[in-house]
This record gives sequence, structure tokens and C-alpha cells, in this order.
Amino acid sequence: DAGVIQSPRHEVTEMGQEVTLRCKPISGHNSLFWYRQTMMRGLELLIYFNNNVPIDDSGMPEDRFSAKMPNASFSTLKIQPSEPRDSAVYFCASSLSRGLVETQYFGPGTRLLVL
Amino acid sequence: RKEVEQDPGPFNVPEGATVAFNCTYSNSASQSFFWYRQDCRKEPKLLMSVYSSGNEDGRFTAQLNRASQYISLLIRDSKLSDSATYLCVVNIGGNRKLIWGLGTSLAVNP
Repeated sequence: DAGVIQSPRHEVTEMGQEVTLRCKPISGHNSLFWYRQTMMRGLELLIYFNNNVPIDDSGMPEDRFSAKMPNASFSTLKIQPSEPRDSAVYFCASSLSRGLVETQYFGPGTRLLVL
Repeated sequence: RKEVEQDPGPFNVPEGATVAFNCTYSNSASQSFFWYRQDCRKEPKLLMSVYSSGNEDGRFTAQLNRASQYISLLIRDSKLSDSATYLCVVNIGGNRKLIWGLGTSLAVNP
């Protein structure tokens, strides 16, 4: 079975450029989570969706970050304009919500480097 | 104080050793607890949930102490393949947001 798919796997860009990260959750899952991981801060939840609706975006650092989930099988995280401090690994995870906290399945991540 | 704290290690142990990690959490309203495992340059994967009564899965045992607000993970007869970072994860309840520790690094040596 296909797991969570993320693209690109690596991204190197220059400061000020727009970056778009993509995620395809596991088929049948109804929740999707975007995380950022750095050595200093660990894994931080940026935003999560339930049934394609954003539920909690309190972790989104600032207005430069935006996320969308136009349908159940696709989500994007956009950074515009990017800054060097955005360099991190960005993970997408999905789960099947049955009311209780459930297992989150992570994609392989996108390693972003902003020069 | 961080919401979830772990000793970063690294813990270096020989094969066959028993090793234990602790994790403390600050919010007494925390309701669900987990250990995830993350291999180098890979994504986190659920290792086990932690139940109030404690639970065991093969060589792995997880315990929860609500009074002292900590959870533990015990690995018996450690294998080379156990080398990874172990992430302590807490859910406060009321939403599905998980709070992650920075992880404890384990290296099992031959």
C-alpha cells in the first residue's frame, strides 16, 4: 500500500523565492498534518486539517506560510517569500480519525534549504 | 519549561543490554501518550502507545506515572537495529494536537 507521499524530497532555493511543498495522504484517511522539524525545536505542528477543513493553524509561524487542502487526496504548504530560517525538514502526516487520538503516518519529508 | 522534556543522550549501549528512557510532561491535563521512533534522516513511526496500566510489546515496555508526570520506555535485549531516536509524544486532549519531545538518541554497539 502506498504511504504518505511528499514532493519534492529536497528543495534548495534562494531567499525571497516561493516554495511549494506537496502531500498526498494515505487513501481513506480524513486528517492531515503539516509539521516542521529542526534540531533546535524538534517537531512542531504547523497546521492540521480534518475532512479537508483547517482546524488548527496556530503553529503557522507567520503570514508567509499558507496551507491548503482542496480535496481529500492533496495538500500544499506554501512559503512566500522564503527566508533562511525556514530551512528545515517538513513532514506531512495523515491519520484516520475515529474520535480518539490515532496513529499518525508520516511521509518521508521534504528537506528545504533556503540560501 | 518545555511541555515535553527528554534526555537527548546519546545512550551508547552494547548489544543485549537493557536501556530505559524517561520523559516528563508539564501539563497535568495530558491524556494520551506515545513513543515514536525516528531513524536517521527518516520519518517518525509509532512505536507504541502508553496506557495507564503500562503495556508491553515484545522487548519494549512502556509505563505511565501520572502523579509524577512522566512516561518511560524500557528496551530489553537491545539489538543493533534499535539504534534510533526515540520521541516522547503527548496529547493534552480537547484537540488532536500532539506535543513532541526533542528525542533521545540510542546507539546500540556490537
